[in-house]
Amino acid sequence: NAGVTQTPKFQVLKTGQSMTLQCAQDMNHNSMYWYRQDPGMGLRLIYYSASEGTTDKGEVPNGYNVSRLNKREFSLRLESAAPSQTSVYFCASSDRATGELFFGEGSRLTVL
Amino acid sequence: QQQVKQSPQSLIVQKGGISIINCAYENTAFDYFPWYQQFPGKGPALLIAIRPDVSEKKEGRFTISFNKSAKQFSLHIMDSQPGDSATYFCAASKSSGSARQLTFGSGTQLTVLP
Repeated sequence: NAGVTQTPKFQVLKTGQSMTLQCAQDMNHNSMYWYRQDPGMGLRLIYYSASEGTTDKGEVPNGYNVSRLNKREFSLRLESAAPSQTSVYFCASSDRATGELFFGEGSRLTVL
Repeated sequence: QQQVKQSPQSLIVQKGGISIINCAYENTAFDYFPWYQQFPGKGPALLIAIRPDVSEKKEGRFTISFNKSAKQFSLHIMDSQPGDSATYFCAASKSSGSARQLTFGSGTQLTVLP
């Protein structure tokens, strides 16, 4: 009963390096999301995908790109990491009927 | 621009007491108001949710009170227990096609003392 799985759980990058956060869900949900969580800021939406083949910007998309690889997988890419992108990143998927979001356990990223 | 304002930032309650967390929103198009609970090292999980056609929803010890005219909603935790110690987020969303874009409050760290 995996739900939403994110990898890696921890990552340290140097400024300017690139990396991709992977996310997969096994609940057959159409919609998937990437949020970042920062102290005192709550969770802010970076990008979302309403369905396979579509992606849209959220509140804080600058510096990020996403790919909806198939219905199960939604990846987040940082092309040139900056210290301001130090955060905990959460992937989520949603049940279309109820709107409930199911979150992964998060990926803690530090950019030096 | 913070569309959902949450208070207090932190809350300490004695075991058996009532915990109250408040949220206010600005966008009158919001039509879904969930509360999420997050334990350290875990992702948030849905606790309880309400839609604006009702003023209150209760599930066990957890109650949402909703005031549409004031654009405010609150979470009440009755008989608070140490196991309730967690961070709580209110959120609001409007339907946008087939996806719901949740806007979260800044979170409240609740500590229930034994």
